[in-house]
Amino acid sequence: DILMTQSPSSLSASVGDTVTIICRASQIIDPYLSWYRQQTGKAPELLIYAASSLRSGVSSRFRGRGSGTEFSLTISGLQPEDFATYYCQQSSSSPFTFGPGTKVDV
Amino acid sequence: VQLQETGPGLVKPSGTLSLTCAVSGNSITSFYWNWIRQTPGKGLEWIGSWYHTGATSYNPSLQSRVTISADKSKNQFSLNLTSVTAADTAVYYCARRDTARVAGFDYWGQGILVSVSS
Repeated sequence: DILMTQSPSSLSASVGDTVTIICRASQIIDPYLSWYRQQTGKAPELLIYAASSLRSGVSSRFRGRGSGTEFSLTISGLQPEDFATYYCQQSSSSPFTFGPGTKVDV
Repeated sequence: VQLQETGPGLVKPSGTLSLTCAVSGNSITSFYWNWIRQTPGKGLEWIGSWYHTGATSYNPSLQSRVTISADKSKNQFSLNLTSVTAADTAVYYCARRDTARVAGFDYWGQGILVSVSS
């Protein structure tokens, strides 16, 4: 299985801040990487796919970058709804695997 | 597109966990239809998928206990997980994924908490 790691595991920020989350894969998965936001008590929500493609309808304050085994998600201008947990997920090979999550709180 | 999981919230150890995902706004004769679970300890875990040809794909960690099937006439798909233990206690989600390899899981159900306990 491809192991996904994320850093940091949590971070504190304020409304309006810009934050960056890192996701690393145990092998090359470029560009088969997606990012999700999960608000408390809700299902994950797809934000980014193909490492850097913004899903239709998702705010442009979310930006995905990266290649090979290292990827990042940058959120510019944090909004109240962005205080949530973020996950990366690879679809390079089965079984599809997720990172452990990064919690963004106030 | 809306997905809705239904099924018992409590299953006895060694029993079978059975869930159904009703899909509206999209025919299940396209896309991959998936089950994913979430636990505090293991995080998000992909269980497996069903495709309209009848093809299935399972996580090897669960493969010996999992079956995903579908009823096209009802536009729903199901999960059966046998010989459950407390470790199978989780929130179970159904989710859709496009056939493109780069695709993520773009539509999810709200999730259903299933506890395994006597």
